[in-house]
Amino acid sequence: DTGVSQDPRHKITKRGQNVTFRCDPISEHNRLYWYRQTLGQGPEFLTYFQNEAQLEKSRLLSDRFSAERPKGSFSTLEIQRTEQGDSAMYLCASSPDTGNTIYFGEGSWLTVV
Amino acid sequence: GQNIDQPTEMTATEGAIVQINCTYQTSGFNGLFWYQQHAGEAPTFLSYNVLDGLEEKGRFSSFLSRSKGYSYLLLKELQMKDSASYLCAVRGRDDKIIFGKGTRLHILP
Repeated sequence: DTGVSQDPRHKITKRGQNVTFRCDPISEHNRLYWYRQTLGQGPEFLTYFQNEAQLEKSRLLSDRFSAERPKGSFSTLEIQRTEQGDSAMYLCASSPDTGNTIYFGEGSWLTVV
Repeated sequence: GQNIDQPTEMTATEGAIVQINCTYQTSGFNGLFWYQQHAGEAPTFLSYNVLDGLEEKGRFSSFLSRSKGYSYLLLKELQMKDSASYLCAVRGRDDKIIFGKGTRLHILP
């Protein structure tokens, strides 16, 4: 399977704990996006990368959220000191430079209890 | 600022045609996407428009008017499996892609 893969697919954590999600984009896709989606809403932009460079981070994100793409391939999204409001599906997507299609992973579901 | 508007919900009958509208105001424009999303699943790509006009792909067509900041997705010969959310997304000048809240389409037999 050469699609976008995300890990873990499901995570249940206690409030206050840290969690990390990993995304492996389609090979040779330079652009990588992170979104958050809650029930009944569209994907909300979090951040995106061009190779290893993080181009923008949403102002909606608190300092508890950080994302990296150290070698321009896989990316990680870390949430520190999780809160119940962080419960959502975290989606990763990648695209080539032409950007006329972005491909989503299956998403990582986070439940904070 | 950036804003993407689409109806929250629509209902249509199996075999019929439905048009889902999307209006946008963004800082720059580099293309508009439509995605389909079934409950609990990731969005799947339907179409991409960067120039004005109609793009047809099987039962689905997408239209764009850049001067009006307007697009629609047209679904023909509706099937029960088309019951899903349809997401409009715009790529801005900075290549950031912003999604609307989605339109939940209910298909009645």
